[in-house]
Amino acid sequence: DAGITQSPRHKVTETGTPVTLRCHQTENHRYMYWYRQDPGHGLRLIHYSYGVKDTDKGEVSDGYSVSRSKTEDFLLTLESATSSQTSVYFCAISAQTGSSYNEQFFGPGTRLTVL
Amino acid sequence: AQKVTQAQTEISVVEKEDVTLDCVYETRDTTYYLFWYKQPPSGELVFLIRRNSFDEQNEISGRYSWNFQKSTSSFNFTITASQVVDSAVYFCALRYTDKLIFGTGTRLQVFP
Repeated sequence: DAGITQSPRHKVTETGTPVTLRCHQTENHRYMYWYRQDPGHGLRLIHYSYGVKDTDKGEVSDGYSVSRSKTEDFLLTLESATSSQTSVYFCAISAQTGSSYNEQFFGPGTRLTVL
Repeated sequence: AQKVTQAQTEISVVEKEDVTLDCVYETRDTTYYLFWYKQPPSGELVFLIRRNSFDEQNEISGRYSWNFQKSTSSFNFTITASQVVDSAVYFCALRYTDKLIFGTGTRLQVFP
């Protein structure tokens, strides 16, 4: 158990509304990630963070923003949700140490439906 | 370009059969890491194995084994004597800088 929680776990919202998903970790890992999972696409990286206030874009970042003001929290915001953002969102952490890259551990996921 | 290909979209087997899930990767890096994850019907993602490019030894863990071959850029996963509990989607992934690139996954259904 990597101590990762996501909230909410399920959300239904309407097109055009803002949505924020939260990822919380308890073990002070430096790297945190947001992915979306869609049928036929596997997991695709949205944004990631390599420290407080340090973030970078992933493969599918359009329409999403992130913030990390504390080590333990990584927020994903959809400024104006669209139906194409209906997906399952996973947060992950990587216990990277020095030059060694360790595996990523995932949170339980958030199922978001945009009507 | 970095890429992971899992050409098998779905595989169905009967319990106790052996099954191999294929993973082919592309990378220009000389040092790299490969991973396998399992996603059971409950939806969570479970880490199975990490392999670095320096280590081409095959790995065995119980009924699971992994065959890493740099010559063919493949990192295949075999389940011996499959069980119904092995039913899941399996993802192969490649490390690229600080990120993971995932394949599209293979759905394995094991029937009793």
